Amino acid sequence: AAGVIQSPRHLIKEKRETATLKCYPIPRHDTVYWYQQGPGQDPQFLISFYEKMQSDKGSIPDRFSAQQFSDYHSELNMSSLELGDSALYFCASSFHNEQFFGPGTRLTVL
Amino acid sequence: LAKTTQPISMDSYEGQEVNITCSHNNIATNDYITWYQQFPSQGPRFIIQGYKTKVTNEVASLFIPADRKSSTLSLPRVSLSDTAVYYCLVGDRSNYQLIWGAGTKLIIKP
Repeated sequence: AAGVIQSPRHLIKEKRETATLKCYPIPRHDTVYWYQQGPGQDPQFLISFYEKMQSDKGSIPDRFSAQQFSDYHSELNMSSLELGDSALYFCASSFHNEQFFGPGTRLTVL
Repeated sequence: LAKTTQPISMDSYEGQEVNITCSHNNIATNDYITWYQQFPSQGPRFIIQGYKTKVTNEVASLFIPADRKSSTLSLPRVSLSDTAVYYCLVGDRSNYQLIWGAGTKLIIKP
């Protein structure tokens, strides 16, 4: 069965650079969620989109933005990267309720 | 959004039944209880969801007492591969974000 696809799987950036993470939801899923999980931490909800509109916002820094496109894929744009942004970034998708998570993008900021 | 409390860690042995209890004293009428499993550096995986009484699927059972202020995830005959972090989440199905508390790190020993 198709799963959530995230790219890239690994990303290394330097401080103050920008990064773009991509998420391709499971076909026919209409909702996409972004989470950040720091080392040894629990996942923190960042933002979600339903039918290409922002549906909820969590602890997403102002330096980050996201959108969902007409084909339902989503991108998380991160600017002025800081060392503390180093984390696993998960995307999840759902149709109605249960969230299916992707494998994550590991972002390392040097 | 209701807050959940779980044990930080648990140990058990292969072949045993493991029960992980989660407290959610402020659960709202519309809230469902959902459990996720997460292996290191992987995205969380949905295990089971319920509203009241008992729910069973091919991997686990979920017991919810009448007052719904707690729930117990039951894993029958665990194996080494069940070593993971287990998260209990409570939320309205219409809520887009999931609030993740500190999960339970389950370690299965041979």
